[in-house]
Amino acid sequence: DVKVTQSSRYLVKRTGEKVFLECVQDMDHENMFWYRQDPGLGLRLIYFSYDVKMKEKGDIPEGYSVSREKKERFSLILESASTNQTSMYLCASSLGVTDTQYFGPGTRLTVL
Amino acid sequence: AQKITQTQPGMFVQEKEAVTLDCTYDTSDQSYGLFWYKQPSSGEMIFLIYQGSYDEQNATEGRYSLNFQKARKSANLVISASQLGDSAMYFCAMREGWRGNMLTFGGGTRLMVKP
Repeated sequence: DVKVTQSSRYLVKRTGEKVFLECVQDMDHENMFWYRQDPGLGLRLIYFSYDVKMKEKGDIPEGYSVSREKKERFSLILESASTNQTSMYLCASSLGVTDTQYFGPGTRLTVL
Repeated sequence: AQKITQTQPGMFVQEKEAVTLDCTYDTSDQSYGLFWYKQPSSGEMIFLIYQGSYDEQNATEGRYSLNFQKARKSANLVISASQLGDSAMYFCAMREGWRGNMLTFGGGTRLMVKP
């Protein structure tokens, strides 16, 4: 079974803090994704990576950056957290371009 | 314009009955794929079923089937014989050829199964 894990289930941070969300997959998948989920809006893609050190912007990249130094690990970085970044963050991975994405359990981030 | 529209924010269904969750999509691509995911209260997104735009048969996976009507641009999820464990959020998503492996999600439908 594909296993995607995220470093925290719940996180509370203050406005202006730098925040790191970590995601690890154990299936040697090429592609990894970061989404945020807000009520009524579904999931929206922030960034994805198709290889180590490679990244592409998704639909809502503003205020976020990412890092992929190793194939199994994909980090989402909020350089200066703001209250409008309070959300559920979901990481996913897939083997190939057209393959199904498998998701982690999510991190619920609250920015005060 | 919304790429994926799920018009039912919430639905009830009686245990053991079938239920249809609606999904309409908008794309000008000829090559695309449609997905359904389930999200229980635990938060994890669980892949349920996939339909490719060129697939001639409707996809089925156990109690899940996808009613794909290409001309109407709809991809409704049918759950047969509902179970209490089916209570969850359900999301429809689309992958368009020109976007590679990027998915666009609908707003979701909350399904509640009554005993």
